[in-house]
Amino acid sequence: KAGVTQTPRYLIKTRGQQVTLSCSPISGHRSVSWYQQTPGQGLQFLFEYFSETQRNKGNFPGRFSGRQFSNSRSEMNVSTLELGDSALYLCASSLGLGPLDEQFFGPGTRLTVL
Amino acid sequence: KQEVTQIPAALSVPEGENLVLNCSFTDSAIYNLQWFRQDPGKGLTSLLLIQSSQREQTSGRLNASLDKSSGRSTLYIAASQPGDSATYLCAVVTQGGSEKLVFGKGTKLTVNP
Repeated sequence: KAGVTQTPRYLIKTRGQQVTLSCSPISGHRSVSWYQQTPGQGLQFLFEYFSETQRNKGNFPGRFSGRQFSNSRSEMNVSTLELGDSALYLCASSLGLGPLDEQFFGPGTRLTVL
Repeated sequence: KQEVTQIPAALSVPEGENLVLNCSFTDSAIYNLQWFRQDPGKGLTSLLLIQSSQREQTSGRLNASLDKSSGRSTLYIAASQPGDSATYLCAVVTQGGSEKLVFGKGTKLTVNP
């Protein structure tokens, strides 16, 4: 069974640009959660989608948005990039409702903002 | 607000040693606690998930315990190997609020051959 996949794996952008990251969950999983990991703040929750609906959202500005498609694949978008958005972005999928079920993580997308 | 603390931040041990990693959390009203490992520059690998009604979970050389009342969990690694070198993270989901994983900062483990 294939694991969680994320594309692209690495991305370099400049301030002010926007970026879209993609996550394909494990087959059959309906929940996708997104996390940001930085050396200073550690892992922080961005949002979670279940059956195309956003169930929960973390404390991030509105520049961070996401969506989930009918096949459970999810995308997150960051507009007007700032230097502080440089991070490893991880998505996780689960069979049931978000973090109430075991979470399986993808390899992440490393975003560098110059 | 739930806070998760992992001590120590780093640990170096010789191969073959049994070791314990600690995790504490401030709000004992949790749904579950999950332990992960992360290799440098990689994603997280789920190790063990303990539901709030459980006291421990075991997988191979790993054993995780949960004491909700005291807000503590330990991850026991038996007969450590160099391949166990990684950062170990614990995370909890708190009841009554936003259902999200709240992570500790992790313990970086180095097992020396």
